[in-house]
Amino acid sequence: KQEVTQIPAALSVPEGENLVLNCSFTDSAIYNLQWFRQDPGKGLTSLLLIQSSQREQTSGRLNASLDKSSGRSTLYIAASQPGDSATYLCAVRRFQKLVFGTGTRLLVSP
Amino acid sequence: EAEVAQSPRYKITEKSQAVAFWCDPISGHATLYWYRQILGQGPELLVQFQDESVVDDSQLPKDRFSAERLKGVDSTLKIQPAELGDSAMYLCASSLTLSPGEQYFGPGTRLTVT
Repeated sequence: KQEVTQIPAALSVPEGENLVLNCSFTDSAIYNLQWFRQDPGKGLTSLLLIQSSQREQTSGRLNASLDKSSGRSTLYIAASQPGDSATYLCAVRRFQKLVFGTGTRLLVSP
Repeated sequence: EAEVAQSPRYKITEKSQAVAFWCDPISGHATLYWYRQILGQGPELLVQFQDESVVDDSQLPKDRFSAERLKGVDSTLKIQPAELGDSAMYLCASSLTLSPGEQYFGPGTRLTVT
């Protein structure tokens, strides 16, 4: 059974810092990995999707990497802003199913 | 920009009552998913449709939960009777096809069972 773990569970940083969120998964036979953002009480917003054949994806200040063989992905956020405060979830896809981690709750203070 | 629509956004119901949630996927998306997210956890798949057919309902508690997508467009998820442990966020998502690709999520329905 696929298990997805995210570390740390919570992170508090001052504005302007670069930060890294970690995601690990137990079964490397995945189709893709997706990073989401979730604001309190809201739905999920897709940030980046990395296909299993890719090593990384970039969007603005966000960069996600994937090392399938070691079962790891990282989400790098450059120059963090208070508006980045949210919960970040990673999810891996195998066959038709997305399996989510429990998320990292990020607080960026001004 | 096209979005997944869900209603209601919030629902409070008493234990043993029936409750229903509605989802309208992005136009043209053949695959529709219902997830349940308990506070502090990641979403877990309840049921997945391809057009009007159920592809995976292995995690759906079928004694009290039912889901349908009669015309292959919008979908309804029902709980009867609701239990205290059903309090959660219910999220609907859609994707263009069954092939691995991006899933787009709606705003969710926050259910509180008292």
